[in-house]
Amino acid sequence: DIQMTQSPSTLSASIGDRVTITCRASQSISNWLAWYQQKPGKAPKLLIYKASNLESGVPSRFSGSGSGTEFTLTISSLQPDDFATYYCQQFNDYSRTFGQGTKVEIK
Amino acid sequence: QVQLVQSGSEVKKPGASVKVSCKASGYTFSSFYINWVRQAPGQGLEWMGIINPSGGSTWYAQKLQGRVTMTRDTSTSTVYMELSSLTFEDTAAYYCARASQLYDPFDIWGQGTMVTVSS
Repeated sequence: DIQMTQSPSTLSASIGDRVTITCRASQSISNWLAWYQQKPGKAPKLLIYKASNLESGVPSRFSGSGSGTEFTLTISSLQPDDFATYYCQQFNDYSRTFGQGTKVEIK
Repeated sequence: QVQLVQSGSEVKKPGASVKVSCKASGYTFSSFYINWVRQAPGQGLEWMGIINPSGGSTWYAQKLQGRVTMTRDTSTSTVYMELSSLTFEDTAAYYCARASQLYDPFDIWGQGTMVTVSS
């Protein structure tokens, strides 16, 4: 199975900060990567698909980039609604593995 | 609106089985795959498997092969996930989630069903 590793595990940031989360795959997954946001007690929400495509309705401050084995999710200016846990997920192989998550906390 | 509505929380004893439902509405049921994902308390997300509501074909995570069964009822636009031989490690929130194709991301999620395994 392909392993997905996110960094950092926890990130402390302030409103207005630029935030970057990294996701690394154990082998190349081309651009078969998605990013989700999850708030406590709620289902995940799709933010980005195919590494860099913004899901409909998602604010433009979210962006994704990368291909192969290294990917990033960037929030250009952190807003109060963005404090949550973020997960990457690969779709290159059968296992559809998720990263372990990155929690974005208030600094 | 497009939504997936899941059945309510369950408490089961070790060794028992649980069956969770996921009712789709607002779109053509047979045109989208349904995945199941679980999340143990305080932990990350784990993909369990996927069903094609059109023909009923299923693909299960290797770890759960033999214990998980996904079925669908096209007359009610409902997908079911049954997990057998429950252990304490199966305590988790279980989510259904829609995908356009077999290897597409999950664009619509159910609200989650908490399954607690307790003696």
